[in-house]
Amino acid sequence: QKEVEQDPGPLSVPEGAIVSLNCTYSNSAFQYFMWYRQYSRKGPELLMYTYSSGNKEDGRFTAQVDKSSKYISLFIRDSQPSDSATYLCAMTKTGANSKLTFGKGITLSVRP
Amino acid sequence: DAGVTQSPTHLIKTRGQQVTLRCSPKSGHDTVSWYQQALGQGPQFIFQYYEEEERQRGNFPDRFSGHQFPNYSSELNVNALLLGDSALYLCASSLGPVGDYRGEQFFGPGTRLTVL
Repeated sequence: QKEVEQDPGPLSVPEGAIVSLNCTYSNSAFQYFMWYRQYSRKGPELLMYTYSSGNKEDGRFTAQVDKSSKYISLFIRDSQPSDSATYLCAMTKTGANSKLTFGKGITLSVRP
Repeated sequence: DAGVTQSPTHLIKTRGQQVTLRCSPKSGHDTVSWYQQALGQGPQFIFQYYEEEERQRGNFPDRFSGHQFPNYSSELNVNALLLGDSALYLCASSLGPVGDYRGEQFFGPGTRLTVL
């Protein structure tokens, strides 16, 4: 069993839709949770960062962490074609500066 | 302000050869981490360098080695290349040692290595 599992894709939605991306993990030592966005032929770019359980909102993006269920989610409201990319969840035990353990990634396509 | 830069962009090698990839961290950053991203997979942590020493290592064989220079730039060396080493190699820079969170890891665009 992989430490981090991410819902398989690809995912295609119409512009304006609400998108829900999810990951589960098995290691209860993970405390810091991140979502990265990766465009084709680019490196990952940090979107959201959350410590422990709870919600965090930034514009159209909301990250949720449920440590009791070992489950994290990223919601994208009013999705735009520019949101089309691969989304990777990542987590660490000791801080965003430390070894990141990534999910496999899911490719999102937002149709105009 | 230049972000993380990596060279070369693409590289083609044959099995058994050796390769060196280079990374310059974002200005002001002193920590460099390397990741391997196979096609369709998430990045896998190789190792992290801080103060010119390897501080953390992932589950990669000794064929993978690295170095950090006094100017914080870094090299990743892979010996005895295998077909399975074909991947995108990502460099990420950050500030501070392991566990000392003072900011996110900024990723470079990567070097795409193809082993024939």
